[in-house]
Amino acid sequence: DTEVTQTPKHLVMGMTNKKSLKCEQHMGHRAMYWYKQKAKKPPELMFVYSYEKLSINESVPSRFSPECPNSSLLNLHLHALQPEDSALYLCASSQPWQSTGELFFGEGSRLTVL
Amino acid sequence: AQKITQTQPGMFVQEKEAVTLDCTYDTSDQSYGLFWYKQPSSGEMIFLIYQGSYDEQNATEGRYSLNFQKARKSANLVISASQLGDSAMYFCAMREGRGSTLGRLYFGRGTQLTVWP
Repeated sequence: DTEVTQTPKHLVMGMTNKKSLKCEQHMGHRAMYWYKQKAKKPPELMFVYSYEKLSINESVPSRFSPECPNSSLLNLHLHALQPEDSALYLCASSQPWQSTGELFFGEGSRLTVL
Repeated sequence: AQKITQTQPGMFVQEKEAVTLDCTYDTSDQSYGLFWYKQPSSGEMIFLIYQGSYDEQNATEGRYSLNFQKARKSANLVISASQLGDSAMYFCAMREGRGSTLGRLYFGRGTQLTVWP
């Protein structure tokens, strides 16, 4: 079982809706990430949080709004999305001081924007 | 220029045989890390193996080994004794720089591996 839990697993929303994706990890990791993955493409980095502070924003449109309420939780708030935003959204976490630095990923939230 | 190149969109292997998935990388950093991830149809990215640029020995993890050829800038994944459950998309990835895990993990385009009985 994955140690990074993402909810919901599937989400369908209209372009005027407001929804949120949630991610939770209990491994004590202090870095958390959002990636976007289109079908048959590699994941693309969106945001990185380090010690609950946003450290990287890869020029993501403001209709995506990340939030890190505490060291275990990471949210992605969605508003006024476009159909091209339909994708698999992957959350990941890692330990900043670990030399190998592998990211642990969740199973993703599959988003469809109508 | 692409940081990670995976030239095999798809690979087929018979059960119990070994298979090599190719990966080449491009960086001017002396310190970097190379990763392989497996992504089944469920979507989860599963970490398989890591190789640091200063590691002199090839990394191994169970049935997975990484054939690291630094001069050629290649980091091929070798899966021995393939199993049906190995059927998945495989991504090679690189992180540049020493120490911090923050920052970008560059992914290749992936190789879809199919294991047949």
